[in-house]
Amino acid sequence: QVQLQESGPGLVKPSETLSLTCTVSGASITSSYWGWIRQPPGKGLESIGYMYYTGTTNYNPSLKSRVTLLVDTSKKQFSLKLTSVTAADTAVYYCASYNNHASFFDNWGQGALVTVSS
Amino acid sequence: QSVLTQPPSVSAAPGQKVTISCSGSTSNIGDNYVSWYQQLPGTAPKLLIYENYKRPSGIPDRFSGSKSGTSATLGITGLQTGDEAEYYCGAWDRSLSADLFGGGTTLTVL
Repeated sequence: QVQLQESGPGLVKPSETLSLTCTVSGASITSSYWGWIRQPPGKGLESIGYMYYTGTTNYNPSLKSRVTLLVDTSKKQFSLKLTSVTAADTAVYYCASYNNHASFFDNWGQGALVTVSS
Repeated sequence: QSVLTQPPSVSAAPGQKVTISCSGSTSNIGDNYVSWYQQLPGTAPKLLIYENYKRPSGIPDRFSGSKSGTSATLGITGLQTGDEAEYYCGAWDRSLSADLFGGGTTLTVL
C-alpha cells in the first residue's frame, strides 16, 4: 500500500520560498506520477501540478511562474518549491500519487499546514 | 468561483439516498474523466470514484458515479452518519492544461 508523508517548515516569511518534501513508501517512485494539491483554511482544493521521475512536469497555470517540482529517486522523495509566497499561499499542502491517464489523485498524504507570516 | 460547479450543501436522513452534481464544460467534464473525493473533517481527501464511475478497492458500492455530457453526479445510498463530509469532483481541463476541482459540497446526514 502506497504511503506518502509531507515534511517541511510550517512557517514561511512573505516573499521567501516554500519548500516541502514528500516521502514515498510502499511503491517505487518510478512507478507513478506524483502531484501536489493545496487547500487554504476553510476553502476548497487547488491542484498545484504533477511530475514524473523522468522530469516531465505539468503546472497549474495560476502558479506556474512560481512553482518547481523535483524528484530524488535515491531518497524516494519528490519536492515542491513555491517562490515569492504571500499570505494567500497559506494552506494545507498535500502530496499524492497521480494517474496521468485518467487524471485523478489516488493516494494522498496526510497534509502539511504551511503558514505564510512575518 | 470554481470552473466545476457543485451545490454548497446537501442533506438527507440516515438510510436515504442523496446525489451531488458537478457541472462543467466541454473542455473539462465533457472531454475527460471525472473523479470524486471524500474529505472527512480534519482529514486528507480520499478517492471515491475515478474514470466517471469506477470505485477503488475498499469503497463500498453505496457510492456510485455517472457522467452525462458536461455534468457528473455522485450518488450515495443507505446514508450513514459517517458519510458526513465534504465531497469534491475533479476533472482535467484541456484549455487550462490543469486539473480542476469543484468547490466542494457539504453532506449533512440529519
